[in-house]
Amino acid sequence: DAGVTQSPTHLIKTRGQQVTLRCSPKSGHDTVSWYQQALGQGPQFIFQYYEEEERQRGNFPDRFSGHQFPNYSSELNVNALLLGDSALYLCASSLAAGYSNQPQHFGDGTRLSIL
Amino acid sequence: AQSVTQLGSHVSVSEGALVLLRCNYSSSVPPYLFWYVQYPNQGLQLLLKYTSAATLVKGINGFEAEFKKSETSFHLTKPSAHMSDAAEYFCAVSEGAAGNKLTFGGGTRVLVKP
Repeated sequence: DAGVTQSPTHLIKTRGQQVTLRCSPKSGHDTVSWYQQALGQGPQFIFQYYEEEERQRGNFPDRFSGHQFPNYSSELNVNALLLGDSALYLCASSLAAGYSNQPQHFGDGTRLSIL
Repeated sequence: AQSVTQLGSHVSVSEGALVLLRCNYSSSVPPYLFWYVQYPNQGLQLLLKYTSAATLVKGINGFEAEFKKSETSFHLTKPSAHMSDAAEYFCAVSEGAAGNKLTFGGGTRVLVKP
């Protein structure tokens, strides 16, 4: 049973560029959440997708956008990259709200470095 | 708004000694609470969860946590530390269904001394 998979594992970009990160949820899951984890800090919630729509959003600027596809996989896009965007980006999947006892399962993340 | 505070960013224990990691939360509704562990260069792995059933929750790898509503706490313990327990531990809170967003504490890094 495949867990949450993310690609790529590492990425180096320069300021001003754009990046797309990808996530495939755990089999059977339909909800995908994205988190940013800066070095030495806890993960911060970016947004959550369910039924191909953004359902919740954290305190992140519009430069951060996402998409969910019919097969439940998801992309995170970041435009106009800043040095402060350097972080580990984690994808987590879960079942929808109707299954409230199911926790979020995390992938191993994409390490994004901005030069 | 929900929040999580983990007391102590670093904890050092001897192998075989008790591990105690502290977590306090604030939430406007009855919360769901979680402990996750993160090994170097990896994502987060669920240790245990509290979802309004028993207040003493047992998880994987010999860890357990007790929900105390009066103290708004959800401390994590393990009776006897093993070298493999060296990692970073995060407490998280979710208001409502588990599909909702998680709010994490700042994490506690555990060092196990031989």
